[in-house]
Amino acid sequence: NAGVTQTPKFQVLKTGQSMTLQCAQDMNHEYMSWYRQDPGMGLRLIHYSVGAGITDQGEVPNGYNVSRSTTEDFPLRLLSAAPSQTSVYFCASSYSPGRSEAFFGQGTRLTVV
Amino acid sequence: AQSVTQPDIHITVSEGASLELRCNYSYGATPYLFWYVQSPGQGLQLLLKYFSGDTLVQGIKGFEAEFKRSQSSFNLRKPSVHWSDAAEYFCAVGAVEGGKLIFGQGTELSVKP
Repeated sequence: NAGVTQTPKFQVLKTGQSMTLQCAQDMNHEYMSWYRQDPGMGLRLIHYSVGAGITDQGEVPNGYNVSRSTTEDFPLRLLSAAPSQTSVYFCASSYSPGRSEAFFGQGTRLTVV
Repeated sequence: AQSVTQPDIHITVSEGASLELRCNYSYGATPYLFWYVQSPGQGLQLLLKYFSGDTLVQGIKGFEAEFKRSQSSFNLRKPSVHWSDAAEYFCAVGAVEGGKLIFGQGTELSVKP
């Protein structure tokens, strides 16, 4: 059982470049979310989705786009990378948001130079 | 506003010693509370959760946590720490609105021989 799979694990971008972080889950969870982790700040919610075709903004959405065309996949797009987006990104899925265990991917460490 | 505070950024304990990690939350209703652990370079793994009922909950790896409504606390404990417990620990509350998890800043645990 793969759980939540994120790719890539590491990425270096130049300022202004765009890229997509991939996230896939095989647990048939309706709820998926993206967090960024920065030292001393815990995890902050970027965007989330409660099902295919439905997305919403979290705490820190600026500079990021998401879409949810299938239950399994929830990619995160950086439109024009900035050094402030240097962070570790985690994708998570759960059966009942805020009520049940969230399953996390292993993270993507992104550096923007 | 809903929030989670972990007052200790970094704690060092000796192997075999007892451990208590503090967590205080602010939430209007009965909270859904979680403790997650993050080993270096890994995603987050659920240690334990509290929804209702017995205020002392048992988790994996010998951890337990006690919910104290009067103190708005959900402290994590372990009677005897092992070197493999060195990791970062996150307390989280499940928010009804948006179904999201609100994380504390994290506590990094170091274990000395």
